Amino acid sequence: GAVVSQHPSRVICKSGTSVKIECRSLDFQATTMFWYRQFPKQSLMLMATSNEGSKATYEQGVEKDKFLINHASLTLSTLTVTSAHPEDSSFYICSAITPPSYEQYFGPGTRLTVT
Amino acid sequence: KQEVTQIPAALSVPEGENLVLNCSFTDSAIYNLQWFRQDPGKGLTSLLLIQSSQREQTSGRLNASLDKSSGRSTLYIAASQPGDSATYLCAVRPGGSEKLVFGKGTKLTVNP
Repeated sequence: GAVVSQHPSRVICKSGTSVKIECRSLDFQATTMFWYRQFPKQSLMLMATSNEGSKATYEQGVEKDKFLINHASLTLSTLTVTSAHPEDSSFYICSAITPPSYEQYFGPGTRLTVT
Repeated sequence: KQEVTQIPAALSVPEGENLVLNCSFTDSAIYNLQWFRQDPGKGLTSLLLIQSSQREQTSGRLNASLDKSSGRSTLYIAASQPGDSATYLCAVRPGGSEKLVFGKGTKLTVNP
């Protein structure tokens, strides 16, 4: 199946700093990418939908100024957590889809810890 | 609003047993349905994708069926192994949407 990578896999940052997470589709061009967060023992929560060359669409309750999403190419989307706080600590997962099947492929996730 | 339910929430079986995981959804207007597995601290691995026009898909020891009219899908795992232990997630893509709607998952434990 198609491969989606994320970098970094783990990151620890201090409160008030910003951190960028990259999501890449390695062997296909993704028309759309998604960003999720997952709290321990809970299901995935969709944060935003990202289309190449256009602004991301955020889910209700997700602060667009705090979680900046850039989808600069058909193979790369980035999520920047700005002015991170301990409550932003979570597991962030990206996914990507491509026609014609629109099967959704997920990255391995990024564990963010804010101290 | 589409809702996805997975039963049971947790399942523990001895190695070698055949088992069935269930998924139901409230709106039959779906584009496709995917089954995933998630290991602790990892991302999701796509197991099977069933398009709305299909009835089932098979991959190795896994078989997934789809009955769109009744809003049900099952994932059949044959001859279960300890390595099958994981959380299994069912997700549907509603028609007209790119997003997936997930169930809460079934946590499977296969005991040696």
